[in-house]
Amino acid sequence: AAGVIQSPRHLIKEKRETATLKCYPIPRHDTVYWYQQGPGQDPQFLISFYEKMQSDKGSIPDRFSAQQFSDYHSELNMSSLELGDSALYFCASSQASGIHINEQFFGPGTRLTVL
Amino acid sequence: AQKITQTQPGMFVQEKEAVTLDCTYDTSDPSYGLFWYKQPSSGEMIFLIYQGSYDQQNATEGRYSLNFQKARKSANLVISASQLGDSAMYFCAMREGGNQGGKLIFGQGTELSVKP
Repeated sequence: AAGVIQSPRHLIKEKRETATLKCYPIPRHDTVYWYQQGPGQDPQFLISFYEKMQSDKGSIPDRFSAQQFSDYHSELNMSSLELGDSALYFCASSQASGIHINEQFFGPGTRLTVL
Repeated sequence: AQKITQTQPGMFVQEKEAVTLDCTYDTSDPSYGLFWYKQPSSGEMIFLIYQGSYDQQNATEGRYSLNFQKARKSANLVISASQLGDSAMYFCAMREGGNQGGKLIFGQGTELSVKP
């Protein structure tokens, strides 16, 4: 079965640089979520989109922005990177109807390291 | 206030035995969902099981079952017949509200080690 795809899987950036993380949800999933998991921490919700519109916003820094495109893939743009942004970034997807309505599937994550 | 609490930072279990991972939650919303995820050392988050607040029966998925005690606001994960591959971090999570597309709030996690 198709899963959530994230790219890149690993990313190394310098402080003050920018980064773009991409997420391709499971086909027919209409909702995308972004989470940030710091070392030894639990995942923290950043932002979500439903049918290409922002549906909820969590503790996402102003330096970060995200959008969902017409093909439902999503991108998380991160600017002025700081050392504290080093984390595992997950994208998850779900569908608002159907038998799997209650399942939120995670991608493999993008491990971002800021030097 | 912590919405999801996992009080066991680490747990050990002997292979082939059953183990219970604790999770308590706090919400005033009558409609919510509870999830368990497994995170191996490789980092991916694997969905294990879901329990809705209105579900009458405890959820089961293969060797996983969820001991849902609504009055006590607990949603413990029971893994039967533990296997070495079960060694991982386990997260309990909650989605509040009737909106099926809601964000997840995670607990701190429990690291499970299965001994041969």
